[in-house]
Amino acid sequence: GDSVTQMEGPVTLSEEAFLTINCTYTATGYPSLFWYVQYPGEGLQLLLKATKADDKGSNKGFEATYRKETTSFHLEKGSVQVSDSAVYFCALSSPSQGNLIFGKGTKLSVKP
Amino acid sequence: DSGVTQTPKHLITATGQRVTLRCSPRSGDLSVYWYQQSLDQGLQFLIQYYNGEERAKGNILERFSAQQFPDLHSELNLSSLELGDSALYFCASSRVSDRVYGYTFGSGTRLTVV
Repeated sequence: GDSVTQMEGPVTLSEEAFLTINCTYTATGYPSLFWYVQYPGEGLQLLLKATKADDKGSNKGFEATYRKETTSFHLEKGSVQVSDSAVYFCALSSPSQGNLIFGKGTKLSVKP
Repeated sequence: DSGVTQTPKHLITATGQRVTLRCSPRSGDLSVYWYQQSLDQGLQFLIQYYNGEERAKGNILERFSAQQFPDLHSELNLSSLELGDSALYFCASSRVSDRVYGYTFGSGTRLTVV
């Protein structure tokens, strides 16, 4: 079945460091891809999305590019802030299934 | 405020009991999804309703059931509760095509079974 694999955490970075969180997927057809963020004590918020190959989603300095050839959707940010500390989830929406499938989440901690 | 309302925020109950979690979707959203989030299992899809009808089922136990009412709010019923049912339960809603817009999540109900 369809699935999402993202890098294990936790990831600890210093403020202004470069962030990459890897995400790869397995899906039939052409899924849409999403990154969600969950701040402590809150629900998940949509961070960015891409609906077709080579699309780049971006928001709040975060970016991810839909790479069909490598079945990847890695999340990047050039300079992280303490306020970016959260859990990040990669997800896909598959034409063959009626729901979003999530990765296990990656916890990011940014130290001042 | 995401527009998706879940009540209660916290629930503590004993094993063997039954609880009901409530979700009001964002205005205009016809689909409601329920997810269970636990430390060891991550985010597990339970069930989806679309405009009152069950649309998709995931890893939902037989002790659990859900429904969506004519006003589009949804309830998740958990019965014969076990310690392992302790988790965060999220409701999400979406417009017709979640492939384009994704989901909007509520802030969750934290269930503790003692």
